[in-house]
Amino acid sequence: GNSVTQMEGPVTLSEEAFLTINCTYTATGYPSLFWYVQYPGEGLQLLLKATKADDKGSNKGFEATYRKETTSFHLEKGSVQVSDSAVYFCALKENNDMRFGAGTRLTVKP
Amino acid sequence: DAGVTQSPTHLIKTRGQHVTLRCSPISGHKSVSWYQQVLGQGPQFIFQYYEKEERGRGNFPDRFSARQFPNYSSELNVNALLLGDSALYLCASSLAPTVSSYEQYFGPGTRLTVT
Repeated sequence: GNSVTQMEGPVTLSEEAFLTINCTYTATGYPSLFWYVQYPGEGLQLLLKATKADDKGSNKGFEATYRKETTSFHLEKGSVQVSDSAVYFCALKENNDMRFGAGTRLTVKP
Repeated sequence: DAGVTQSPTHLIKTRGQHVTLRCSPISGHKSVSWYQQVLGQGPQFIFQYYEKEERGRGNFPDRFSARQFPNYSSELNVNALLLGDSALYLCASSLAPTVSSYEQYFGPGTRLTVT
C-alpha cells in the first residue's frame, strides 16, 4: 500500500538557518504530494503541494520538488523564523487514498 | 468564507460511553473525510464520504461509524469508548475525493479525552 516516511524530529534551528525536512513515499501509481503544517492547538493547514513529477510547490518561503526518480518530496526553506515553529506533515493522495507521515516538530530559536 | 467547522472543540467522556462529533465542510465541497490523530503521530484515515455515500474506510473497528447528510455535513460516532480513543479527531473537506490534485482542507479538530 501507499505510505509516507519523513525525517524524525524534533528539529531545532536558530533563526535564519536553512531548513530541510526529508520525506520519501511509496505509491502504486501517480500520487499528488503535500506538505501540511500544524501550529500548536490547531488543525492542519496546507502549506504547499505538487501534483506531478518535477513540479515545485512553494509558499511562504517554503518549497518542495516532486522527485519521482527518488520518490522524494523534501521540504526546504532558506531562512527560518521563530514563527515557523510547528509540526510539519508530508502527505500523499492517490485518488481517494490519503496518507500522512508521522510529522516532524520544528523549533526555531531567536 | 467559512472554513471547515467542527463541534464540539473539546469533549471528555468515560469508558463505555458513546460520542458524536460533527463537521460542516466548506461551502461547495461534497466530500468529507475523518481522521484520528493521536498525540505525537500523523493523522490516520477513518472514513470518507462523498455525496452521502461511504467511499473509503480505514482500519478502525466497527465501533466507529459515520454518515453524511444532504447538506454534506457529517457526523462521526464512536461507541463503547476506550481509553485509546483519546485523540484529536480531524474533519477534512474537498471538492471530490477521486481527483488526486484536490487538496483537503482541515477543520480545527475535536479533542476527545476518554477517562
